Amino acid sequence: AQSVTQLGSHVSVSEGALVLLRCNYSSSVPPYLFWYVQYPNQGLQLLLKYTSAATLVKGINGFEAEFKKSETSFHLTKPSAHMSDAAEYFCAVSSGAGSYQLTFGKGTKLSVIP
Amino acid sequence: NAGVMQNPRHLVRRRGQEARLRCSPMKGHSHVYWYRQLPEEGLKFMVYLQKENIIDESGMPKERFSAEFPKEGPSILRIQQVVRGDSAAYFCASSPGTGGQETQYFGPGTRLLVL
Repeated sequence: AQSVTQLGSHVSVSEGALVLLRCNYSSSVPPYLFWYVQYPNQGLQLLLKYTSAATLVKGINGFEAEFKKSETSFHLTKPSAHMSDAAEYFCAVSSGAGSYQLTFGKGTKLSVIP
Repeated sequence: NAGVMQNPRHLVRRRGQEARLRCSPMKGHSHVYWYRQLPEEGLKFMVYLQKENIIDESGMPKERFSAEFPKEGPSILRIQQVVRGDSAAYFCASSPGTGGQETQYFGPGTRLLVL
């Protein structure tokens, strides 16, 4: 069984400040990990994914995430928040090469304060 | 290249009616997945289909819900005799191949409201 925990349902940062969104996972096999962003009334857009290559993954819009096996974490960061980053962010895991089911966390709503 | 398309974007039904949600995958994608997002929750897997085949429907409620992906045309998620608890956003995703490392591309969703 696999699961995802996102700490903090709401996060507020000031424009220009560091963004840190936390994600911890559990998986019985080496996982594949994803971060998606959802803008209001829109679908999910892939930000980045980890598929067992480099542990530091760079995504779109300046976001990156680091896979830490010892901590079972895949936190999302961005050095400087922009107003357009305000959205809901979902971490997801799939377990193993043959697994197509994505298991999502409950999401973290990011607010950016001008 | 058009993305995953879903229609309608919003659907209002009264209790007991049927809801039909449509999904056209990205061009070249033969794998379709449906997910449901309840308020304040993450997305939950419902079903995985390929053309004319249901591969995995382990996330589908046992009654009233069905899905198909015919040889021609979009994938359809059908909910019969809707109840208020069916109110949710339903997302379709598609991928060119399958497996844990494949990126699933999501459509804009259909937001179902049951009155």
